[in-house]
Amino acid sequence: RKEVEQDPGPFNVPEGATVAFNCTYSNSASQSFFWYRQDCRKEPKLLMSVYSSGNEDGRFTAQLNRASQYISLLIRDSKLSDSATYLCVVNMRRIYNQGGKLIFGQGTELSVKP
Amino acid sequence: DAGVTQSPTHLIKTRGQQVTLRCSPKSGHDTVSWYQQALGQGPQFIFQYYEEEERQRGNFPDRFSGHQFPNYSSELNVNALLLGDSALYLCASSLGGPATYNEQFFGPGTRLTVL
Repeated sequence: RKEVEQDPGPFNVPEGATVAFNCTYSNSASQSFFWYRQDCRKEPKLLMSVYSSGNEDGRFTAQLNRASQYISLLIRDSKLSDSATYLCVVNMRRIYNQGGKLIFGQGTELSVKP
Repeated sequence: DAGVTQSPTHLIKTRGQQVTLRCSPKSGHDTVSWYQQALGQGPQFIFQYYEEEERQRGNFPDRFSGHQFPNYSSELNVNALLLGDSALYLCASSLGGPATYNEQFFGPGTRLTVL
């Protein structure tokens, strides 16, 4: 079983749609959680961190459920510029001295059409 | 303020050859992590360097080795190249080593093709 699993995608949505990405992680020792965005043939860039209380950044909302080991990302009012691959990422507990090891899901591709 | 830089941008090698990839971290960062991203997959952690030592390692064979220099720049070496080593190699820099959760900033990557 993969440590981080995401919806396989791709997601093809019209402009203005709301789209949700789901992610599960297998290791309960995971400590920090993120969503990264990766444009075609470019490097991943941090989109937002994910907190247990949930957090929002404009059109983007991230949620974490530690009990279910589940992470989500919601994008409202999709724009053409949102087209990219979205990567779910977890980081291990600092006590295991693995704070720098990011574990990525396989990514979910989003294509927003006019 | 220069971000993370990597060289070369692209590289073509044949099976059995050796390759060295280079990374310069973002100004002020002292930690370098390397990731391998195969086509259609998420990046996979190779190893992390901090204070010129390998601090963590992912599930990669000994053919993958690295080095960090006093100026914090780093090299990734891959020996006895296999076709399966073809991938985008990403370098990420951060501050404070493996005991921190500081954000990692990624470079543009080196695209390696093994023929």
